[in-house]
Amino acid sequence: EDQVTQSPEALRLQEGESSSLNCSYTVSGLRGLFWYRQDPGKGPEFLFTLYSAGEEKEKERLKATLTKKESFLHITAPKPEDSATYLCAVHDYNQGGKLIFGQGTELSVKP
Amino acid sequence: DSGVTQTPKHLITATGQRVTLRCSPRSGDLSVYWYQQSLDQGLQFLIQYYNGEERAKGNILERFSAQQFPDLHSELNLSSLELGDSALYFCASSARGSGGKDTQYFGPGTRLTVL
Repeated sequence: EDQVTQSPEALRLQEGESSSLNCSYTVSGLRGLFWYRQDPGKGPEFLFTLYSAGEEKEKERLKATLTKKESFLHITAPKPEDSATYLCAVHDYNQGGKLIFGQGTELSVKP
Repeated sequence: DSGVTQTPKHLITATGQRVTLRCSPRSGDLSVYWYQQSLDQGLQFLIQYYNGEERAKGNILERFSAQQFPDLHSELNLSSLELGDSALYFCASSARGSGGKDTQYFGPGTRLTVL
């Protein structure tokens, strides 16, 4: 069965303290791995898509990487406005357009 | 702003009632997806429509149904509501609906409270 596990569940950082979020996955046929950011009570906001092991993508202070079993979201010198829940999702080519989401990592950045 | 719109933003109703949630996809997108987000379950896929036809189904309850209309907007109907149906309901849209390089963009959601 397809599964996505994110860790840690919650992460508290000081402003400027870099860290990484982990997403490990088990799918029969990975077609894409997606990172979204979600603010409380809002819809998920698309950040990145990764398709193959070794691929990396960057946006401002965020950098996403992919291996055959997991993905990392690296946050460099975070700011308080980076506080949100970060969601990882995978698309399995055997399952139509369905995305399978992890439970998310709740990031809090204190000034 | 993702370009996906959902109405209403909030809905409060009683057990046993029926409600309809509405979604308009981004301009040009043919596929619409519905997801449910509750505190204990996270984001769960319910159903996908592509150009008016059902494409994929998740663990959607029999009390729930959806459709996509010729103008591509979609409605999710929830009936015989129970307390446990209280959740955030999100609609997403994508260009083709085939996954992979087809990114899903999410709407702002409808918060359903069943009393």
